[in-house]
Amino acid sequence: GAVVSQHPSRVICKSGTSVKIECRSLDFQATTMFWYRQFPKQSLMLMATSNEGSKATYEQGVEKDKFLINHASLTLSTLTVTSAHPEDSSFYICSASPLTATNTEAFFGQGTRLTVV
Amino acid sequence: QKEVEQNSGPLSVPEGAIASLNCTYSDRVSQSFFWYRQYSGKSPELIMSIYSNGDKEDGRFTAQLNKASQYVSLLIRDSQPSDSATYLCAVKGSGGYQKVTFGIGTKLQVIP
Repeated sequence: GAVVSQHPSRVICKSGTSVKIECRSLDFQATTMFWYRQFPKQSLMLMATSNEGSKATYEQGVEKDKFLINHASLTLSTLTVTSAHPEDSSFYICSASPLTATNTEAFFGQGTRLTVV
Repeated sequence: QKEVEQNSGPLSVPEGAIASLNCTYSDRVSQSFFWYRQYSGKSPELIMSIYSNGDKEDGRFTAQLNKASQYVSLLIRDSQPSDSATYLCAVKGSGGYQKVTFGIGTKLQVIP
């Protein structure tokens, strides 16, 4: 299957600082990537849809000024958690699908475990 | 009503038995259906995809889709302890860039 690489896999930061997470599609191009967040014992919740060359689309309740998304190329999207707080501690996962057919599964990055202390 | 519904479990089955995981979805225009397996602390990995009504078999896994009933299921034959994980049902609408919506996941425990 297609490969999506996410970096870093784990990060600990101090409250008030910013953290950048990268998501790369290694062997395909993706004009659209998705960012999810998963709290313990809960499902994946879509945060935003990252669109190459244009603004991201955020789900209801997700602060766009806090979770900055940049999708500068067909293979890279970044999520920056700004002014992080302990409640932002979570598992962040990106996904992408190859450009082509309608029936295309989503491939996931390895995930980033963010801990804000 | 949640878009994708699953029983969170845990579902416990003995080793060698058949595990049956179920999922219903609310959006009738959904076109693509997936089952992902997620181990604790890890990212989901795709194990099955199904797009048309009926059964699709891949090794020990069989996915079943009934669009009229808006129902998807996953059967795991000869369950192994290594199958113990959370199984996420995922649904995607028409169009290549449609988002994938996930159920809460069913935790499966295979007892040796």
